[in-house]
Amino acid sequence: DTEVTQTPKHLVMGMTNKKSLKCEQHMGHRAMYWYKQKAKKPPELMFVYSYEKLSINESVPSRFSPECPNSSLLNLHLHALQPEDSALYLCASSQAKETAQYFGPGTRLTVL
Amino acid sequence: QKEVEQDPGPLSVPEGAIVSLNCTYSNSAFQYFMWYRQYSRKGPELLMYTYSSGNKEDGRFTAQVDKSSKYISLFIRDSQPSDSATYLCAMPKGSQGNLIFGKGTKLSVKP
Repeated sequence: DTEVTQTPKHLVMGMTNKKSLKCEQHMGHRAMYWYKQKAKKPPELMFVYSYEKLSINESVPSRFSPECPNSSLLNLHLHALQPEDSALYLCASSQAKETAQYFGPGTRLTVL
Repeated sequence: QKEVEQDPGPLSVPEGAIVSLNCTYSNSAFQYFMWYRQYSRKGPELLMYTYSSGNKEDGRFTAQVDKSSKYISLFIRDSQPSDSATYLCAMPKGSQGNLIFGKGTKLSVKP
């Protein structure tokens, strides 16, 4: 089973809202990632968690706040987003940081 | 020079054709190479994962790595309309887990 699940599939929020994106994997992977993908562009790394500890934060604005409650779950908390944050947000996981990454279906986020 | 270069296309072929997709890279430290397929508005799907130079085959797909030339390829045999998607090459950078992607090549297979 190489499935990574993400909820919700779609999210529309105002600039003053607080929302969370959720990601789950049951492959026993110890590294999990958040990516942001704009239309017709490749995914861009936002955060890396390895063994439930944040190991990379690619200078992402503080309005994005990741959380890794356990080795299977990854959340992305959103607050005071801007319209330019509208994008497809992808979660991925891998056995180790340098091995193949498996992506979820993504959450399509629209900020009004 | 970008670390990974990939022709964005678009590439249009007739059904049944052999498709060749390519990426070049500049960092000789790259050890692992991946190909992803991404349908519109969906997450990338891992197609092939290779480590060493040479060929790896999986069904209609063959991944080829030439480390001496820093060149990787994905071949699709007997292409089908369902293969119409964007294909992304990717390489993890060192031990940090930062996946470096090519721009992606948009492929269209016409019936």
